[in-house]
Amino acid sequence: GNSVTQMEGPVTLSEEAFLTINCTYTATGYPSLFWYVQYPGEGLQLLLKATKADDKGSNKGFEATYRKETTSFHLEKGSVQVSDSAVYFCALSDRGSGGGADGLTFGKGTHLIIQP
Amino acid sequence: DAGVIQSPRHEVTEMGQEVTLRCKPISGHDYLFWYRQTMMRGLELLIYFNNNVPIDDSGMPEDRFSAKMPNASFSTLKIQPSEPRDSAVYFCASSLALTGPSLANYGYTFGSGTRLTVV
Repeated sequence: GNSVTQMEGPVTLSEEAFLTINCTYTATGYPSLFWYVQYPGEGLQLLLKATKADDKGSNKGFEATYRKETTSFHLEKGSVQVSDSAVYFCALSDRGSGGGADGLTFGKGTHLIIQP
Repeated sequence: DAGVIQSPRHEVTEMGQEVTLRCKPISGHDYLFWYRQTMMRGLELLIYFNNNVPIDDSGMPEDRFSAKMPNASFSTLKIQPSEPRDSAVYFCASSLALTGPSLANYGYTFGSGTRLTVV
């Protein structure tokens, strides 16, 4: 079946630090990959996505590259801000070609805390 | 479109009372999902609908929970009777599809959630 594994949180960084949140996946087909962000008191919002191997998704200074060889989609940002404090979810959608489940499969989320 | 609309944003109720959460999906989205989020369990899928028909309710924790979708623009999640362990944030989400390019390109759209506290 499909699964997404994210690094455990919370992750605490100082403002302007470099951020990496690891995400690896298991899928039976050829998935698309997503990062969602949940700011305090809000719902999940789509942050970025990549639909095929070697694609790079980017938004708001965040980037993630679809690495098929390592089944990974790590989220990075060069210089974080206090306003980036949120919970980040990695997710995949299996295209069903390998018999995997339909819909999105989410990781457990990583809580990011940025200190001034 | 205003996005996925949930109401109320916050609900405080006493144990044993009935609670009804409401959701209006994005117009044209054929799929609607109800999720529950807690610190202990994270994000859990409770049930989802396709064209107003419940497809998979295996995540519904107990018979106290029920969900309906009487039309394409409205869904409810009801808890009767409520218990303190039901306290959580409940999210509704909608999507164009469950597979294929529509899902791959747009994913799900989530509402802002209902924070339920049962005392």
